[in-house]
Amino acid sequence: GESVGLHLPTLSVQEGDNSIINCAYSNSASDYFIWYKQESGKGPQFIIDIRSNMDKRQGQRVTVLLNKTVKHLSLQIAATQPGDSAVYFCAEITTSYDKVIFGPGTSLSVIP
Amino acid sequence: GAGVSQTPSNKVTEKGKYVELRCDPISGHTALYWYRQSLGQGPEFLIYFQGTGAADDSGLPNDRFFAVRPEGSVSTLKIQRTERGDSAVYLCASSPNYGSRYNEQFFGPGTRLTVL
Repeated sequence: GESVGLHLPTLSVQEGDNSIINCAYSNSASDYFIWYKQESGKGPQFIIDIRSNMDKRQGQRVTVLLNKTVKHLSLQIAATQPGDSAVYFCAEITTSYDKVIFGPGTSLSVIP
Repeated sequence: GAGVSQTPSNKVTEKGKYVELRCDPISGHTALYWYRQSLGQGPEFLIYFQGTGAADDSGLPNDRFFAVRPEGSVSTLKIQRTERGDSAVYLCASSPNYGSRYNEQFFGPGTRLTVL
């Protein structure tokens, strides 16, 4: 069936460097995409979202890029900090807006 | 303000036993969701409530799983005859509205269920 997946299961970056986390999705009809951050022992936390009619959206230190041609989503974190260490999930929202379909996650480790 | 809370935080049970997991959503949120997260995986949708009714229970894996939300607030996920494969973190989320647009889902910390 349709699914959302990630290219890299783990990523280690030096503190202060930029991080890029990638995601491939297969449902071309998806209208909405979200990046979540999940710290150990906690539930997923919303970071940033993007609609399918956009190709870029910026937040505070984070940028999400959407390439619908190749069904690719990425999350860029500028000046990565130790507090950014977590598992990051991309997710798509079904067209009925009633459930979130998560990918498998990428673990980001920031080296001080 | 209070977020989504879930109790217990950890539950250890024996194979074949019955368990109940509780979710207290954010006050006023009409939509409530249950997800299951296995180690190293993303959360998987189980069931969605709009008010008291289950609007979508397509993610429940089998008839051993059942969830209720009798007063449109607190929800209980019930698992009968637990199996070792049910071991996972069960996450609850709530959101303020339904349908016409995406409304951010706020997640609780989850209940870690271990079936021995």
